[in-house]
Amino acid sequence: GAGVSQSPSNKVTEKGKDVELRCDPISGHTALYWYRQSLGQGLEFLIYFQGNSAPDKSGLPSDRFSAERTGGSVSTLTIQRTQQEDSAVYLCASSPRGQLSNQPQHFGDGTRLSIL
Amino acid sequence: AQSVAQPEDQVNVAEGNPLTVKCTYSVSGNPYLFWYVQYPNRGLQFLLKYITGDNLVKGSYGFEAEFNKSQTSFHLKKPSALVSDSALYFCAVRGPYNQGGKLIFGQGTELSVKP
Repeated sequence: GAGVSQSPSNKVTEKGKDVELRCDPISGHTALYWYRQSLGQGLEFLIYFQGNSAPDKSGLPSDRFSAERTGGSVSTLTIQRTQQEDSAVYLCASSPRGQLSNQPQHFGDGTRLSIL
Repeated sequence: AQSVAQPEDQVNVAEGNPLTVKCTYSVSGNPYLFWYVQYPNRGLQFLLKYITGDNLVKGSYGFEAEFNKSQTSFHLKKPSALVSDSALYFCAVRGPYNQGGKLIFGQGTELSVKP
């Protein structure tokens, strides 16, 4: 079946521009997570959505980062006024029930973001 | 706070030999532990998990992991390594219940299997 789909796979942009990264989770998965993978910081949690509940934004590194999830499915991560330290791979994952589930999270292939 | 440590940045193994990738954890309460593998330019792929029950957990592609509560370890093992096992391996623990099940990852171990 279809896995987690992320787009674009690669994004190169100039410092100061805004970028939008998209994640389409596995159908029926109510929990959606964004992580960032960078050389210096490893894999870090950014934000978590569960159904229609308010998202857990505790991992967002600054107010330049925001995310939304429309209709409980597709999610968009937006980075405003990008900085070079935002260069990383942004990974999206989904799972059936989030904190109430022992099921593993399933990851997309990520978006490789490069800020010039 | 929950944390995971992978003490080896790189592990080198000859094909056909057994492999071990080490992981230790620190959690409050019962740990929910996971191993993921990442191939170049790909996302993380789930290998196995420990929630409760038998300390030896079997997963995908012939991998297994041994949960040791007294040593707070969850080492990944495989009896006979393949060249195709060469990849980046991550150990993870699920975060506190009130934090949505987010995963807390170790820093990763690069496994290199040579013919």
